[in-house]
Amino acid sequence: DGGITQSPKYLFRKEGQNVTLSCEQNLNHDAMYWYRQDPGQGLRLIYYSQIVNDFQKGDIAEGYSVSREKKESFPLTVTSAQKNPTAFYLCASSVIPTGYGYTFGSGTRLTVV
Amino acid sequence: QQQVKQSPQSLIVQKGGISIINCAYENTAFDYFPWYQQFPGKGPALLIAIRPDVSEKKEGRFTISFNKSAKQFSLHIMDSQPGDSATYFCAARGYQKVTFGTGTKLQVIP
Repeated sequence: DGGITQSPKYLFRKEGQNVTLSCEQNLNHDAMYWYRQDPGQGLRLIYYSQIVNDFQKGDIAEGYSVSREKKESFPLTVTSAQKNPTAFYLCASSVIPTGYGYTFGSGTRLTVV
Repeated sequence: QQQVKQSPQSLIVQKGGISIINCAYENTAFDYFPWYQQFPGKGPALLIAIRPDVSEKKEGRFTISFNKSAKQFSLHIMDSQPGDSATYFCAARGYQKVTFGTGTKLQVIP
């Protein structure tokens, strides 16, 4: 079955640590996205990529980094510079042109301990 | 200009009733307006969508009403069921990305 796989489902991070969230898709979609979800704030765009080896900052990119070395993979690193990283992180993908229906993964819940 | 304002934040409806969620936008360059449904612990899933040249779209019990002049659109869920209890997000497609509303948590009580 085609879809998006995010791992891990739950992640705990100590303050000052970098952590990497995995996102893999087998839908052959060109575009991939990372969103952060906080209660009452909806989905906010962190980074997006429309082609391998290229990506753009979204609305809240500070403290995050990404790479797009393969079409299928778009990992997100939450760095120690992100002051409030506790949130639910969602990866999505879509065909080009973008926006006509995203496919989302099941998310990773990151908690700082 | 990129915001999509969604209301209410939460909604309780009795089984069989009509659930209505409203959204408003400012950017007239938005050209596609999807709604997503999210169950707890899951990612959102596309529910229904509309283009701005259409005033209404219906799929089963779900209807989008679109008012281009007012820059508003709404989701109506007819004959609401407990299984519809979820968080609903409106969204709008702009250049290279989609902007989401803040979400409405719907609870349908028996």
